[in-house]
Amino acid sequence: DAGVIQSPRHEVTEMGQEVTLRCKPISGHDYLFWYRQTMMRGLELLIYFNNNVPIDDSGMPEDRFSAKMPNASFSTLKIQPSEPRDSAVYFCASSFRWDRDVFSSYNSPLHFGNGTRLTVT
Amino acid sequence: SQKIEQNSEALNIQEGKTATLTCNYTNYSPAYLQWYRQDPGRGPVFLLLIRENEKEKRKERLKVTFDTTLKQSLFHITASQPADSATYLCALAFTGRRALTFGSGTRLQVQP
Repeated sequence: DAGVIQSPRHEVTEMGQEVTLRCKPISGHDYLFWYRQTMMRGLELLIYFNNNVPIDDSGMPEDRFSAKMPNASFSTLKIQPSEPRDSAVYFCASSFRWDRDVFSSYNSPLHFGNGTRLTVT
Repeated sequence: SQKIEQNSEALNIQEGKTATLTCNYTNYSPAYLQWYRQDPGRGPVFLLLIRENEKEKRKERLKVTFDTTLKQSLFHITASQPADSATYLCALAFTGRRALTFGSGTRLQVQP
């Protein structure tokens, strides 16, 4: 398995431009998460999906951020317009709901991609 | 709001020694707690999970303890190696909320 694939790996853009980050989760996983990591705030949850449906978007900073999951194998996170304070590493992660070894609804580990480093100048 | 505290200062130890990392949390106890390793430029990688009704979990050189009275988890790496140098993150999951809340991580440096 190729793991969670994110693109691009690096993105440099000017303030005011639209940015789209992409994620391909591991096949068969039914949860997808978007996190943002900065030195000041660590890893913060932005939004997560279950079976392509957004479940909790309370971490999305503001209306400039939007996320979609049109099918089980693809998700996007869009920032429009981008601002310098959006500079961070954005991670996508996916998981099963059920751990294959022990049946519990809450213990599936997250599988992370290697992130997109976004710089807004 | 829920707070998770990990030592922000780097932990430097000699090869062969046991590294012990701490994760403290406030307010509600999580349903379970996970530990992840993160290398520079990479995403976090899952290491171990421990549930609220478990005291200890082991995997090879790794050991995790979970004390809901102290609201603390300890993560141990025995016989540490330079290859263990990385940032270690604890993550908590609360009943009814599928997403994990992460601590800020502790950087471990193992000197040869």
